[in-house]
Parts: sequence; structure tokens; C-alpha cells
Amino acid sequence: EPEVTQTPSHQVTQMGQEVILRCVPISNHLYFYWYRQILGQKVEFLVSFYNNEISEKSEIFDDQFSVERPDGSNFTLKIRSTKLEDSAMYFCASRGTSGGAGETQYFGPGTRLLVL
Amino acid sequence: AQSVTQPDIHITVSEGASLELRCNYSYGATPYLFWYVQSPGQGLQLLLKYFSGDTLVQGIKGFEAEFKRSQSSFNLRKPSVHWSDAAEYFCAVVGEAGGFKTIFGAGTRLFVKA
Repeated sequence: EPEVTQTPSHQVTQMGQEVILRCVPISNHLYFYWYRQILGQKVEFLVSFYNNEISEKSEIFDDQFSVERPDGSNFTLKIRSTKLEDSAMYFCASRGTSGGAGETQYFGPGTRLLVL
Repeated sequence: AQSVTQPDIHITVSEGASLELRCNYSYGATPYLFWYVQSPGQGLQLLLKYFSGDTLVQGIKGFEAEFKRSQSSFNLRKPSVHWSDAAEYFCAVVGEAGGFKTIFGAGTRLFVKA
């Protein structure tokens, strides 16, 4: 079964550094997402991306965050200047377009980001 | 606004006992409802989903869930719990607006005792 992949699985960075989290969505999917989960808390929506532009973003997704689909396969989340509170598990997800809201989103295994 | 409530932060059941995890949603139109399971340090695995038709849906690993519109609920059940079911369970709803984002509940941590 096709799956969403994410790299790296773990990343440790210093506060103020830039990080790029990478995702390879399922190949024929057209909607892409980033979510985050702070340790012990629920999964929170960050941003959705469709047709090469952001379709929706949450309050969390401020100017420090950006997303990009640099080629036909990758989908990246960049955090320009990391803060301690950015430490979390970041999940990428993708979905197709045929089933409307009922179409399943497929989640990647996550990248655990630790900001020191 | 769309929201999902999971009233139980954690639940402990004995192995072999039945399980019911509660989920209530708030959504104006027809909800698209999902249950995910997350083992410690792992990603999210889809257990089952509902968006139309039979209100009792079957999922993987012997789980089922029942959609009750009158109660705005989508409770997850399993007749006999195994020790390997110990994990965090998230109920979620997807709306039709915007980019079909998923909104998760706070999760219920399941502990299984021998």
C-alpha cells in the first residue's frame, strides 16, 4: 500500500536555527497537510496546501513557518527561527480528491523535532 | 466551529474485557468521522471512518464504531481487548470547508491490565 514518508525521523536543533522538514506524499494525491503534536497533547492542524498554494492555515502557522512543494514529489515545512515551543512531533499528510471530505488522509510517521 | 470532545483522558480495562471510548462532535453539516490509534512514539494509524450509510462501521483490529446523530456521538468499541491495544486513541472530524483539514480530539489513553 502506498504511504507517506517523512525525513528525518528525528531532528535536534538550537533555538534560532532554521529547520526544514521533508515529506513525500502519496504520488497521485493533490492535498497536502502539516500537523503538529506537542508531547502529551493532541494533534493540531497547521496548514493545508492545494494547487500550489496554501488553502488554509491555523493561528499557529505564523510568519516563522512556510511550506513549499519544490518539485513534483516533495512537500516541505520550514521553520525560519526555531523556538523552544516548536519542539513537537510534526506529521505530514496527503489525500486524493475523489471522495470529498470523506476521502481518507494518509499520515506519515512523523518527524520529532527537539529545539534546545 | 467544528470540534471533537473525548471526555475520558484515560481508561483502564482488563485484558479480555470490552471497551468503549467516547467521542462527541460538533459540526453543522454531515460530519466525516474518523478514529485513529497512536502507539507511543509512533505515527497515526486509521482504525475506521464514517461518512454515510450504515451507522455501525467496522474497522481494523476488531474495532467498530457507531454513529448516533441524535447524540452527536461516534463511540469506538471492541468486544475483547488485547494487551497490544494499549495506546492513545484519537477521534477526528473532517469538514468540507477549506482544505478538508482534520480536527482531532484530545485523545484517550487506553491502559490494559493483565
